[in-house]
Parts: sequence; structure tokens; C-alpha cells
Amino acid sequence: EVQLVESGGGLVQPGGSLRLSCSASGFTFSSYAMHWVRQAPGKGLEYVSAISSNGGSTYYADSVKGRFTISRDNSKNTLYLQMSSLRAEDTAVYYCVKDRKAVAGHDAFDIWGQGTMVTVSS
Amino acid sequence: SYVLTQPPSVSVAPGKTARITCGGNNIGSKSVHWYQQKPGQAPVLVIYYDSDRPSGIPERFSGSNSGNTATLTISRVEAGDEADYYCQVWDSSSDHCYVFGTGTKVTVL
Repeated sequence: EVQLVESGGGLVQPGGSLRLSCSASGFTFSSYAMHWVRQAPGKGLEYVSAISSNGGSTYYADSVKGRFTISRDNSKNTLYLQMSSLRAEDTAVYYCVKDRKAVAGHDAFDIWGQGTMVTVSS
Repeated sequence: SYVLTQPPSVSVAPGKTARITCGGNNIGSKSVHWYQQKPGQAPVLVIYYDSDRPSGIPERFSGSNSGNTATLTISRVEAGDEADYYCQVWDSSSDHCYVFGTGTKVTVL
């Protein structure tokens, strides 16, 4: 069964840091681009970041550029999102998402994890 | 930045047809994907590349895209189709900018 399981969410103070992890199984992780998408409580979906299959290319939404870092360890089938300088507006459920292709581009997101909640509050 | 506009809500009776629009400047030149999100659950891909269906998605779900509007059509609507629906494109004019629509809540009467 194809599965993505996120972990690492929690409560963090403004200005703090957090690292999210996403463990993948049921498919050849190293063959696909991966993404993070978030959803604030009661709001719509917002794209956060993408990484190509070999980790050589990364992309970020303007709202997180310079504060978040996406990475992957293909030997461990794991995707990461290092978040720093967190703000209240970063409060959201963070979804780990699989791309249909190796290179992040115009293709769709075909597998989503169940998400992990990040709350930024003092 | 590229903007995708969806109606906030659509109501439909069981057995009827629901049409959800996604408006964007010359969206017909882009590939549009649609996601269904039920309460408390992660989104699920229901249509990709304007009109293709992933395996396991009923034929009742179809899509089209032309001009400034893409449309997701749900035929013979069932109670289980009640959910939020989001369109999505990749805006190649920005630096790998993925854009989601504002979302449409489909209510089955």
C-alpha cells in the first residue's frame, strides 16, 4: 500500500524552529518529486515547497522562502521540512505529498499523507 | 501572481449534476488538476490534466478546460460526494509556483 506518514508537528513559540518528517512506503521514493502543502484551520490549501526526485532542485513559496528548507534522504525513504523563524501565520496542518513525476512541474499530486499539525503560539 | 477563483459553495440534489468552475486568466493554456477533501481527511486527486481520472475514481467525475474557465462535473451526485473541491495549476511564469483555487464546498441536499 502506498503510504505517506508525517511526524514532528506540535506547539512552538513564535521565532522558534521545528523539523517535520515524512516516511514513505509502498512506492519507489527516489523516483518521484515530493512536496509540502499546508492548510490553516478552516482555510484552503497553500503550496509550501517542492523537491525533485534526486534532491537536486528545490522550490519554495514566497511566504516561506528563506525560513523553510526542504530535503530528502532517499536511502531512508524520508522527506523533511526544516522550519525556522516561525510565525503565527505558519499555523496549519502540513501535508506531505507525492508528485506523479520525478521533476516538479505541471503534473498532479497523486498521494497525500494525513498531515501533521503545527501550531505557532506563545 | 496567478489567481484561481472558485465559487464558495454549490448545492445539488442527489442524482443531479454538480458543476464546479475554476476561473483563471487563460487557464485553458494550463493543465488543471482537481482534488476532493472530505471533512477531517487529506485531499484526494480526482481529475488530472484537465480530464483524466486516476484509477479508483468513478466515471461520474469528469473535467474540462477552455478559455478562462476549467470545470469539474460530478454526474449522478451521491451523498458521499459532499466535500470541498480545489482546482490547482502550475504557473510556469513564476518560479515553480503551484497555485490552488479558493475551494468550493459541495453540499448534497
